[in-house]
Amino acid sequence: AQSVTQPDIHITVSEGASLELRCNYSYGATPYLFWYVQSPGQGLQLLLKYFSGDTLVQGIKGFEAEFKRSQSSFNLRKPSVHWSDAAEYFCAVSNRDDKIIFGKGTRLHILP
Amino acid sequence: DTEVTQTPKHLVMGMTNKKSLKCEQHMGHRAMYWYKQKAKKPPELMFVYSYEKLSINESVPSRFSPECPNSSLLNLHLHALQPEDSALYLCASSPDALGNTIYFGEGSWLTVV
Repeated sequence: AQSVTQPDIHITVSEGASLELRCNYSYGATPYLFWYVQSPGQGLQLLLKYFSGDTLVQGIKGFEAEFKRSQSSFNLRKPSVHWSDAAEYFCAVSNRDDKIIFGKGTRLHILP
Repeated sequence: DTEVTQTPKHLVMGMTNKKSLKCEQHMGHRAMYWYKQKAKKPPELMFVYSYEKLSINESVPSRFSPECPNSSLLNLHLHALQPEDSALYLCASSPDALGNTIYFGEGSWLTVV
């Protein structure tokens, strides 16, 4: 069965530090991969997506993610976090013929 | 423009009330979705409309009744809800159904008292 795993429920980093949020998936077909961010009391905003091509994808707000097929991973990175990046981050997977499946989310906390 | 607009932002209703949540998108998307999200959980799919026809109902109780009047509008009619139905209800759309990029609205916070 298809699944998405975000191993870290909470991550705390200092403002200005680098960030990596992990995402692993289990999917039989070539996956479409997404990262969404949800600030408190808000809806989900798409950060970036991977369908095919270059495995390093750039997104909004300075985020990037790298698709590694051999590791079934799609980790999200940012070189320097800002206090406004504190939010819930969801990794998601689908393919052309299937509904999107969300991971359980990682809550990012930023220390001043 | 990737905007999905939901109204109202907040709704408090009694268990005997009838209310509706509304959603609108003007991106020309042909698929629209309702999700339910409880605190500290990912969104759970409720319904999918594809080309204005209901294509997926994730075994949602009949007290939730979706309606898609046209390709830009999606409603969720609520009747005889339970307190455990209190949640954030998210509308979303995508160019077509399944697999494509989904764009979410800001959500409607529902409290059932």
